[in-house]
Amino acid sequence: AQSVTQLDSHVSVSEGTPVLLRCNYSSSYSPSLFWYVQHPNKGLQLLLKYTSAATLVKGINGFEAEFKKSETSFHLTKPSAHMSDAAEYFCVVSSDSNYQLIWGAGTKLIIKP
Amino acid sequence: GAVVSQHPSRVICKSGTSVKIECRSLDFQATTMFWYRQFPKQSLMLMATSNEGSKATYEQGVEKDKFLINHASLTLSTLTVTSAHPEDSSFYICSTFFRTGGDYYEQYFGPGTRLTVT
Repeated sequence: AQSVTQLDSHVSVSEGTPVLLRCNYSSSYSPSLFWYVQHPNKGLQLLLKYTSAATLVKGINGFEAEFKKSETSFHLTKPSAHMSDAAEYFCVVSSDSNYQLIWGAGTKLIIKP
Repeated sequence: GAVVSQHPSRVICKSGTSVKIECRSLDFQATTMFWYRQFPKQSLMLMATSNEGSKATYEQGVEKDKFLINHASLTLSTLTVTSAHPEDSSFYICSTFFRTGGDYYEQYFGPGTRLTVT
């Protein structure tokens, strides 16, 4: 069975400093992994996805994530946080069928001015 | 990318009434749609998988008689919350997917419907 764990429920960083949102997954096969962002009162938006191509995946708004099979991790990073990055971030892994998604609990990113 | 719409975006209803939420795929045919609910400050919880022309598949613990799903066409799935109660107040999100290449799929989400039951 697949599962995903987001290690931090809240992450607080100052504007202009790096962002690290941690995600570990469990899967019995090579999964597809995604990061979604949800701004307050807005719909979900796909940030980036990993589907067994390059292990370092670049997404929108300067975010990127690295798939590390040995560590079963898919952490999300950004070199310099912006106030507009404040949102809820979800790490997601695909199920066996590859179209059903297993969701992490979410990490709330707080940006301090 | 694909566009999924939901209507209404917000609805307030009285306890005991029923509410219908529509989910439409605007520029492609969706044989399968997913319905999620999201409580405040929590992650998404899959409620059911809706398949065009057949019965929906409900996740464990979701009452199929309370959350009626109809997927009568390739572009429309509806979720009806029957005899709504305050504990049904939540954010309901639909999604669908299509194949992006090989064995990989990408999901697209509707903007969500915020239901408040008074």
